[in-house]
Amino acid sequence: DTAVSQTPKYLVTQMGNDKSIKCEQNLGHDTMYWYKQDSKKFLKIMFSYNNKELIINETVPNRFSPKSPDKAHLNLHINSLELGDSAVYFCASSQDRPLTNEQFFGPGTRLTVL
Amino acid sequence: GQQLNQSPQSMFIQEGEDVSMNCTSSSIFNTWLWYKQDPGEGPVLLIALYKAGELTSNGRLTAQFGITRKDSFLNISASIPSDVGIYFCAGEFNMLTFGGGTRLMVKP
Repeated sequence: DTAVSQTPKYLVTQMGNDKSIKCEQNLGHDTMYWYKQDSKKFLKIMFSYNNKELIINETVPNRFSPKSPDKAHLNLHINSLELGDSAVYFCASSQDRPLTNEQFFGPGTRLTVL
Repeated sequence: GQQLNQSPQSMFIQEGEDVSMNCTSSSIFNTWLWYKQDPGEGPVLLIALYKAGELTSNGRLTAQFGITRKDSFLNISASIPSDVGIYFCAGEFNMLTFGGGTRLMVKP
């Protein structure tokens, strides 16, 4: 019954490693997003995909690469992890046209880079 | 980019009290949304506002879309312990921009 799911829930890794976070939504939505929430709880959009096409790409290092194999999935791959990448990453989805408003969030992935 | 100023940053209140928080911006938004985030969870949508001046309720929650389209407030009446969490406003103009959050603590 989970609407937006993410795996893993927790991810602890060393600097320099490459890691991926997976996201799936079963709501039939056309648009999916990745957000980063820092230690002060600020939520900032990173990427938005509509029907597997990149719509929004905020100022995010090239080390972050989203991949959408189909419209129900949007994975986030991070290369050469840095200490500053430690944060909680949220996947979200919304219906219909891009940038529509009622976004549904996943439970988050807490990434800790040592 | 657009920025939202959300206040207060935190509130510590007694159970049964009413709560009010607001967001302001120098930019115009098409939509205002209010979310609640519980510890270890993702934000959950509480109320969506689509028209300037719109006043919408959801149980004990009431929110309004400011006439100027640059602000919104959220009120919670008769707070209960499970209202504890972080409340975020979000304004939409091409994309969602989130406020810094209001951390609400309720004393039984």
